Amino acid sequence: SQTIHQWPATLVQPVGSPLSLECTVEGTSNPNLYWYRQAAGRGLQLLFYSVGIGQISSEVPQNLSASRPQDRQFILSSKKLLLSDSGFYLCAWSVQTGALTDTQYFGPGTRLTVL
Amino acid sequence: AQKITQTQPGMFVQEKEAVTLDCTYDTSDQSYGLFWYKQPSSGEMIFLIYQGSYDEQNATEGRYSLNFQKARKSANLVISASQLGDSAMYFCAMREGWKAAGNKLTFGGGTRVLVKP
Repeated sequence: SQTIHQWPATLVQPVGSPLSLECTVEGTSNPNLYWYRQAAGRGLQLLFYSVGIGQISSEVPQNLSASRPQDRQFILSSKKLLLSDSGFYLCAWSVQTGALTDTQYFGPGTRLTVL
Repeated sequence: AQKITQTQPGMFVQEKEAVTLDCTYDTSDQSYGLFWYKQPSSGEMIFLIYQGSYDEQNATEGRYSLNFQKARKSANLVISASQLGDSAMYFCAMREGWKAAGNKLTFGGGTRVLVKP
C-alpha cells in the first residue's frame, strides 16, 4: 500500500530564515506530487505540482519554491520566510492515469509558524 | 468567480442523525470529477467519496453518499447516522477536464461539523 510522509510535523521559524519541508511517498512510482497551503480556518491553496522529476509547475507567485530531486521526493523551500508564510502545509500524491477518478491522497501536514 | 462554494461555515448535528453538507460548483467542462474530503483536528485530509460528471448513479461509500444534481451544479454530501468521530472540517473539491495538467483540484472553503452527543 502507498504511504506519504511529511516532516517536520511542526516548525517555528523567525522571519527571514530559510525553510525546507520534505515529502516522500512510498509504494508507488511516477506519482503526481502537490504542495498545498492552508491558512487557519480556510480552504486549501495549491502552491506547486509536479508530474515528474525536475518538473515543477507554480500556481501562486511567492517567495516559495519547490523541487523534485527524486521520483518520490518533493521539497518545499524558501530562502527568506515572511510572516505571511505561516500556515499548514500539506503534501499530496496521485497516480498519473489521467482519469478523472485519480484521487489525491494527503500527508499528515506541517504546521509552520513564522515569528 | 468561485469554482467551488460551500455556503455553510459550520453546523451542529445530533449524534445518530443525518447531516447534509452543501457544495455547488462552476465549470463549463462536460467532464469533471467531484471529491469530498474530511479534515479532523489532526489536520490530515482524508478522502471520502468521488462523483464523476457522467456517473448516472449517486456515489455511496458506507455512511457517506453524494446527492449529485448536475443541472443545479450541486454535489451535496450526506452523512447518515452521525458519530462523534465525524466532527471535522469537510471540503468539497473539483477536477475539471480529462486532460487537465497535473490532475489539479480546486477546493471549497469547507464546512465545520460538530456532532453533539
